[in-house]
Parts: sequence; structure tokens; C-alpha cells
Amino acid sequence: QVQLQESGPGLVKPSGTLSLTCAVSGGSISNSNWWSWVRQAPGKGLEWIGEISHSGTTIFNPSLKSRVTISIDKSKNQFSLKVNFLTAADTSVYYCAGRKDVGYYYDYWGQGILVTVSS
Amino acid sequence: SYVLTQPPSVSVAPGKTARITCGGNSIGRKSVHWYQQKPGQAPVLVVFFDSDRPSGIPERFSGSNSGNTATLTISTVEAGDEADYFCQVWDSTSDLPVFGGGTKLTVL
Repeated sequence: QVQLQESGPGLVKPSGTLSLTCAVSGGSISNSNWWSWVRQAPGKGLEWIGEISHSGTTIFNPSLKSRVTISIDKSKNQFSLKVNFLTAADTSVYYCAGRKDVGYYYDYWGQGILVTVSS
Repeated sequence: SYVLTQPPSVSVAPGKTARITCGGNSIGRKSVHWYQQKPGQAPVLVVFFDSDRPSGIPERFSGSNSGNTATLTISTVEAGDEADYFCQVWDSTSDLPVFGGGTKLTVL
């Protein structure tokens, strides 16, 4: 059973950069899956940020595309998220998730990590 | 962009049936997936491809999809079903995923 675990700082400053990593265990990140980031502002719904394929292809939410980078490290079986030019509106629980190549639904989720943007 | 509309809240008594809707333009032509999220926890997939259940999800959870409305049905509701429920589709026009705003299920 694939398991995901997010890690990274819980507090970042406005105008700074958020950097999170998702470690994949119980399976290879090189399998035919897409690896995703989803966030949830306090008391709000789910917002899809973007995802990366096992081969490195990326797709992004158009509303965030200019500020987001997603990368994959097959040697460490992990993938990462960077969001720059942060504001308080980026304060959210950030989840990493995964889906199969032809699934179009997310059957793997990390536990989530709260990132607060504040000085 | 494609929009999914869910009622903010649904209330149901224990043992009764809860129905949570997800509205979208011709959503019946798309595959709909449903997630359950309990407070402080990550979402969990409960229904995929309109009506399929992942292993470990009780048969009490079922789904349907037709016209402009998809429905998640939870029969014989238990206190432990109290959670937020989100629908999700893949928008073929933008080739991106879309989530509904979520519905809070309250068990009275």
C-alpha cells in the first residue's frame, strides 16, 4: 500500500518561498502514477495546485501556475513543491496525493502539513 | 472553467439515508469521484467512477450520476459518517481536476 508523508517548515514569511517534500513509501515513484499537491485553507474546500507524472511532465492550476514549481526525485522516491511570492492567502494545509495514470481520482493522500504565512 | 456545486450542509438522523448532491453542466457525461474528510484528517476516497467503491469502504456508500446531478448516498447513517464530503471530476476541456466546494454532513 502506497503511503505519502509531507515535510517542510510550518511557518514562512510573506513574500518568501514555501518548500515542501512528499516522501513516497510502499511503492516506486516511477510507477505509472501522477503525484499531486492539493491545499485547503482553514475552513475552506480543496484546491488542486498541480501535479507531476512519473516521467516529469507537469500540469498546474492556472491561478497558481506563475508561482508554483513541482519536481520529482526518483533516487529519493520523493517529489516536491515550491510556491513563491507568498501572502497570507497561501496559509493552508498542504496535502500531497497520488493517482494512477488513467484513474483521474486521488487514491493516495498524505496526512497534510499546515503552512502559515506570517511575519 | 467547469464548476461543481454542492450544498453547504446536509443533516440526517442516525439510521436514515443521506443524499449529497454535486451539480454540474452535463455532469452525467463525466466520471464523478467522492471523498470523505473527517476533522483534522486527510480526504479519503469513498466512491470513484460514479459508483465504484475502493476496498474497505462499506457498501452503505453508493453513488449515481445522471443529467446535471451526481449523488452520493449513505444508507443507514452512523455517527462516524459525520464529515465533509467533496465531489471531483476531471474537466476534459481544461484537462484539469475540479473539486466541488464540499458538503458538511451532520448526524443529528
